[in-house]
Order: sequence, then structure tokens, then C-alpha cells
Amino acid sequence: SFVLTQPPSVSVAPGETARITCGGSHIASEIVHWYQLTPGQAPLLVSYFDNDRPSGIPERFSASQSGNTATLTITRVEAGDEADYYCQVWGGSSDHRLFGGGTKLTVL
Amino acid sequence: QVQLVESGGGVVQPGRSLRLSCAASGFTVGLYDMSWVRQAPGKGLEWVAFVSATGRNKDYADSVKGRFTISRDNSRNTLSLQMDGLRVEDTALYYCARQGGGDSFDLWGKGALVTVSS
Repeated sequence: SFVLTQPPSVSVAPGETARITCGGSHIASEIVHWYQLTPGQAPLLVSYFDNDRPSGIPERFSASQSGNTATLTITRVEAGDEADYYCQVWGGSSDHRLFGGGTKLTVL
Repeated sequence: QVQLVESGGGVVQPGRSLRLSCAASGFTVGLYDMSWVRQAPGKGLEWVAFVSATGRNKDYADSVKGRFTISRDNSRNTLSLQMDGLRVEDTALYYCARQGGGDSFDLWGKGALVTVSS
């Protein structure tokens, strides 16, 4: 079955660059979207169509894709970026409509 | 204000039913495909159900197929999820989500908590 694999955690110091990966055997043929989840808040779309940003999302957030791995890159990380991040694809069948397992970003 | 607000969550015994609602405001819900997404305690996000803008097309995750029914009332700007035959493993925070570009989820509610326990 199709699975999206993310590292459980990533830690960076303020001002550094965080890279969160999302791997999957069919991901090269899919459009990958990224979400930020903060406790008590509605989930927030931070990147879609592989590297478009919704209004209000800082340019520090960018996404890329190479082969079977998609990457969300957050530059000049701030304390407020500490959250869980999820990748997501929407395929043509129900078993290809899924999220990655999520990555907890810790700002040291 | 553009927002989605879920309601109808609660504690229910295994095998019983519950109906969630999602009220949309600030936009015309009939122009968008919509989905329900859930997050079990300590777990990741899981897509649950989809309904097209007209309501004609629906789809479900295998984990809920045959037990959950998604519906919408565009005249009232609302989305619903009827959950029958609930199981302990259905315990989760259920989010209503609007589908935007590339079938991303570009607007979410804050969720409704469903607890299935005897």
C-alpha cells in the first residue's frame, strides 16, 4: 500500500534552516501539500502545488520535490515555527488520499 | 470571516451513532469539494471522507466505508458526517476541511472531539 514516510522529529536552533522530508514510492507522480499543526489551532496549509504559498505564509517556507522525496524547508527558523508538520497527497483512489505520519519540529 | 466550525462531538458507546456538522461562513460552500479529516490521540492525520461540490460524488477511507456517510446542504452552507457503528478506534478529533488548489485542504475548522468508550 502507498505510504508517506516522515521523520518523527527535527530539531534546529533559532535562525537555522529546518528541512522536513516526505518519502513515498509513488510520490514523484503526485502533487504534495504541507500543513502546520499547532495545539488548539486549526491546521494551516503552508505549501501547495509543490511550492505555492497561501496568502500570509512567509517566504521562509518553501517546498521542493526530487524523485521519491518531497521536502519542506523553513529558513531562519523562529520559535513560533515549533509545530507538527504533515505532508499530504490526493490521488485518484481512496488509498492514495493520505497524509504522512507527521514531523515534530522543535526549536531549541 | 471565512471559517469552518464543527459541532456534534461527544462521548458515545461502541456500536452507537453520532452526527457531526460543519457550518461554513464567509464563503459559498457550494463552490468547493469538502472532506472530513481526523486525528486520533497521539496519532497523525487521516483523511476520512470526501464529497464533491454538487454532492454527486462521495468517497471514503477503507477504515470507515460502510459505516460513515458524508453529506452536504449547500443551501444552508453546511457539511455533515453521520457515523454509525462507532468503534473505540474511531476516537479522534474530527476536522472539516475545504479543498482548494491541487486538492489541498486550504481551510480547516478547529475540530470536534469524538470519544468512543464503554
